[in-house]
Amino acid sequence: DQQVKQNSPSLSVQEGRISILNCDYTNSMFDYFLWYKKYPAEGPTFLISISSIKDKNEDGRFTVFLNKSAKHLSLHIVPSQPGDSAVYFCAASDINNNDMRFGAGTRLTVKP
Amino acid sequence: DTAVSQTPKYLVTQMGNDKSIKCEQNLGHDTMYWYKQDSKKFLKIMFSYNNKELIINETVPNRFSPKSPDKAHLNLHINSLELGDSAVYFCASSVHRGRSPLHFGNGTRLTVT
Repeated sequence: DQQVKQNSPSLSVQEGRISILNCDYTNSMFDYFLWYKKYPAEGPTFLISISSIKDKNEDGRFTVFLNKSAKHLSLHIVPSQPGDSAVYFCAASDINNNDMRFGAGTRLTVKP
Repeated sequence: DTAVSQTPKYLVTQMGNDKSIKCEQNLGHDTMYWYKQDSKKFLKIMFSYNNKELIINETVPNRFSPKSPDKAHLNLHINSLELGDSAVYFCASSVHRGRSPLHFGNGTRLTVT
């Protein structure tokens, strides 16, 4: 059962514009959420996280928004750069410290 | 200096064989993991292990077994390989189980013919 869902397999944006990647989850016990970025032939690398006590966390060009009532989070990248082209994974873990669950990923392409 | 390294990067073998994938981390983390990325690109937890506890995902066949000679290593042994085992396997580590970001290796692409 997929407790973390990324319903858009791909997204294409123009350089300089905003990229918005979305993620939904079903497990109400999740309270810690992360985004990872993955380049081909490499492992995922941690990008940004947010705990359920917050609704926004910002780190440079990257902002994660959490809507607990909707069980939805999103990653905003502003401005998007060609080097941001990668697969982005959403992940979550729960208050019982169970292992992190991942979505299927969204492939972002930023066009020059 | 690579934080989480796994070898080999590619592994091609025949059905029925037994193989191992090695993983080492130099981050001093307490917890290590194995994830499987299947053909649909889902990253699924297989095992998590620290010096106190091994947690096995119930869907993982018992042909798969983790072996940890010390805190910095978590190797994956696979017996009687099957076609469906073909996937990319990622090793990872973290400071705390479930509560801190994972640091991943670059993956091992296993192809069973």
